[in-house]
Formats: sequence, structure tokens, C-alpha cells
Amino acid sequence: DVKVTQSSRYLVKRTGEKVFLECVQDMDHENMFWYRQDPGLGLRLIYFSYDVKMKEKGDIPEGYSVSREKKERFSLILESASTNQTSMYLCASSLTIGRYSNQPQHFGDGTRLSIL
Amino acid sequence: ELKVEQNPLFLSMQEGKNYTIYCNYSTTSDRLYWYRQDPGKSLESLFVLLSNGAVKQEGRLMASLDTKARLSTLHITAAVHDLSATYFCAEGGGSNYKLTFGKGTLLTVNP
Repeated sequence: DVKVTQSSRYLVKRTGEKVFLECVQDMDHENMFWYRQDPGLGLRLIYFSYDVKMKEKGDIPEGYSVSREKKERFSLILESASTNQTSMYLCASSLTIGRYSNQPQHFGDGTRLSIL
Repeated sequence: ELKVEQNPLFLSMQEGKNYTIYCNYSTTSDRLYWYRQDPGKSLESLFVLLSNGAVKQEGRLMASLDTKARLSTLHITAAVHDLSATYFCAEGGGSNYKLTFGKGTLLTVNP
């Protein structure tokens, strides 16, 4: 089974701190994703990466950056945490998918981040 | 802007009843995904629909895709309490990697 592991289930940080969320997958997937999930808004894509050291902005990248130094690890960085970044953060991974691929994205358990 | 709209957002139903969740999307994508999320848990992949007319079934859930109408449905047959969860649809859009999610349908099945 695919395993996507997020380093923390719950995290509490203070405004202005630099925050690191870590995600590791064990299936040699090329693609990795960071989403945030908020009530009534569904999942929104922050950043994704399709290869080591490659990244692309998603729909809501402001205030975030990412790092992918190794294929299995994808980090989300909150440069200067703010209260409006309090949310559930979900990491996902997938194989490179062609037009007719049936590979879904596989999700980690999520990190519930509170910024005080 | 890609849009994925689910209807209804909240669904309360009795055990044994049938119901359908609708997912409309705004692009010409022919890839549609359904996920389930239990409270406090991650998202679990249910179905991947890859072409017009695709139909997949697992237990009491059946998903279908009509790319011409840009509509996918998730049909629940004879609901049981264990199906209570939030269901998300997501479409694959023009990129090989990105998914655009709907806001989710919170399903509660009452005894």
C-alpha cells in the first residue's frame, strides 16, 4: 500500500514564526502536492512538485514556499506564519499520469496547524 | 477558472434509502475522481473515471461520468450508517498533475 506520512498531526505555532511541514512517501512517486482544507472551501492546492527540485504554484501559493531535495520528501514552509494560515494541511503523492492513467492521488493523514 | 460544484453540500438520509450526489465541472476534462473522508481522517480514493460513459461500482456506491454534460454522479443504494462521511469529487483538468476539488458533500445516514 502507498504510504504518505506527515510529520505532525497537530502543531501550534506563533504569529511570525517560520513553520516547516514535512511529508514523506514510500512509493517512488514523481508527483507530490500540498493542499489546505478549510470548512466550506474544500481542498485548495498550494504547491506541487513533479520532480526533484521542480515546483509549481497552485491556486493559493501566497505566504508559502516548498522544498523538494529528495524524491520521497516534500516540505511546505510558512515563511512568516499568520493567523489566517490556521488550517488543516494535507500532503498527497501520485505517479506520473498520462491521459488515460487511472492513478489517483494518495493522501497523508493531515497536519492540523494552529497559529496563535 | 476551473470550477467543480457538488450538490448537495449536506445530505441527511435514512438507512435503506437511495440517493445521488451530483458533481458538475466546468472544463472539458475526461478524468473525474471520487474520494471519501471520515472525520479527522485523510482522503481515501473511491473511484477513478477516465472516459465518457464510465461507470464503476463498489458495494453500495456507484459512480458514473458524462463528459458531454460535464457531470459525474455518485449513487448510494440502500444506505447504511457506515457510509456516513464527506464525499469529494475532483476533476483532472488540462494538466497531468493537478486536481480541482469540489467543496464536498457531508453525508449523514441515520438509523
